[in-house]
Amino acid sequence: DAGVIQSPRHEVTEMGQEVTLRCKPISGHDYLFWYRQTMMRGLELLIYFNNNVPIDDSGMPEDRFSAKMPNASFSTLKIQPSEPRDSAVYFCASSASPGQQFFGPGTRLTVL
Amino acid sequence: GEDVEQSLFLSVREGDSSVINCTYTDSSSTYLYWYKQEPGAGLQLLTYIFSNMDMKQDQRLTVLLNKKDKHLSLRIADTQTGDSAIYFCAENGGYNKLIFGAGTRLAVHP
Repeated sequence: DAGVIQSPRHEVTEMGQEVTLRCKPISGHDYLFWYRQTMMRGLELLIYFNNNVPIDDSGMPEDRFSAKMPNASFSTLKIQPSEPRDSAVYFCASSASPGQQFFGPGTRLTVL
Repeated sequence: GEDVEQSLFLSVREGDSSVINCTYTDSSSTYLYWYKQEPGAGLQLLTYIFSNMDMKQDQRLTVLLNKKDKHLSLRIADTQTGDSAIYFCAENGGYNKLIFGAGTRLAVHP
């Protein structure tokens, strides 16, 4: 298996633009997580899904952020409109067993 | 509430042992985990321990758990430059969610 796949790996955009981050989890994993990592705030859980259903979105910073999982092999995290403070590395992770999460390589987002 | 605390930095000489410490708050956690993050990469599960165990050893890694004090440690024997990374302690937050600490940056110098 190729592991968790994220795209793009790097994204540079201007404030106000829409940003869409993509994730393909490991086949057979029924949990999918979106995290954000910054120097100031560390690793933050934004939202996670079980069997394509959002279970906990309490970490989503505000209404500008939305996440979907239309099927078991694909998820998106969208920011609209983007702001400079959204600059961070966004990780997707998937899991089939409690606690044993497999992380993707991350998307480094820079909002100018 | 749930919280996991770690020291932020550790510097060791190559060949020495490294000990990374962590305290957690949720006494009902079934498992406790150590993840490793190398530069430019995502986190990778390093090892984990069941809450009914005191110690787990896996090659150069030793995990010690003190449930009474809610203290977890990771010892790396014969630390190498390739061990330089950020190490995260994590506990179960329920429903397959993990609560991560802030991470300990391990620097290994010659």
